[in-house]
Amino acid sequence: GQSLEQPSEVTAVEGAIVQINCTYQTSGFYGLSWYQQHDGGAPTFLSYNGLDGLEETGRFSSFLSRSDSYGYLLLQELQMKDSASYFCASPMDSNYQLIWGAGTKLIIKP
Amino acid sequence: DGGITQSPKYLFRKEGQNVTLSCEQNLNHDAMYWYRQDPGQGLRLIYYSQIVNDFQKGDIAEGYSVSREKKESFPLTVTSAQKNPTAFYLCASIEGNNSPLHFGNGTRLTVT
Repeated sequence: GQSLEQPSEVTAVEGAIVQINCTYQTSGFYGLSWYQQHDGGAPTFLSYNGLDGLEETGRFSSFLSRSDSYGYLLLQELQMKDSASYFCASPMDSNYQLIWGAGTKLIIKP
Repeated sequence: DGGITQSPKYLFRKEGQNVTLSCEQNLNHDAMYWYRQDPGQGLRLIYYSQIVNDFQKGDIAEGYSVSREKKESFPLTVTSAQKNPTAFYLCASIEGNNSPLHFGNGTRLTVT
């Protein structure tokens, strides 16, 4: 079957760097996206990797290695407001359907 | 500003009643989605629609129904056949393949 696996919870300290991993098993591959969701809120898009390598957007970066079926989200200079759940997602095929990881809850300590 | 509007934010119903959740978008997106999210879990696809008057079942369509009579609107009906309807429901739309999903603020449905 098709699936995306990510850790259920990660803890880090304010000001530090944290990496959230996502490994995938899909019949085809059409890229990897990352979304952030605060408690009670809606997911918001963070980044997308269609090709191998690093995409940087401010304090957040996302990396993809298609040969390893693996990607990660890197958050730098952590702030308390970064406490949220982070989801990786990937299109199932060439249509508009996404499959989602179960989410990683990021806990930031002062 | 363009966006997706879901209403209401909180909804309470008695068991056995059908309830319709509203989703309206003014982004001019063709594709729209309904997801269900349970506490501490990821998003599960209920239904999606790529174009007006057409929609497909997602992974958990049983007990739900949708319509897509207008591009802007994609209402979801939670029927009495849905065994565990209490959840957070999210509507989303997308401009094109590999574009970001835009989400509404969600409707939290509680059925007692």
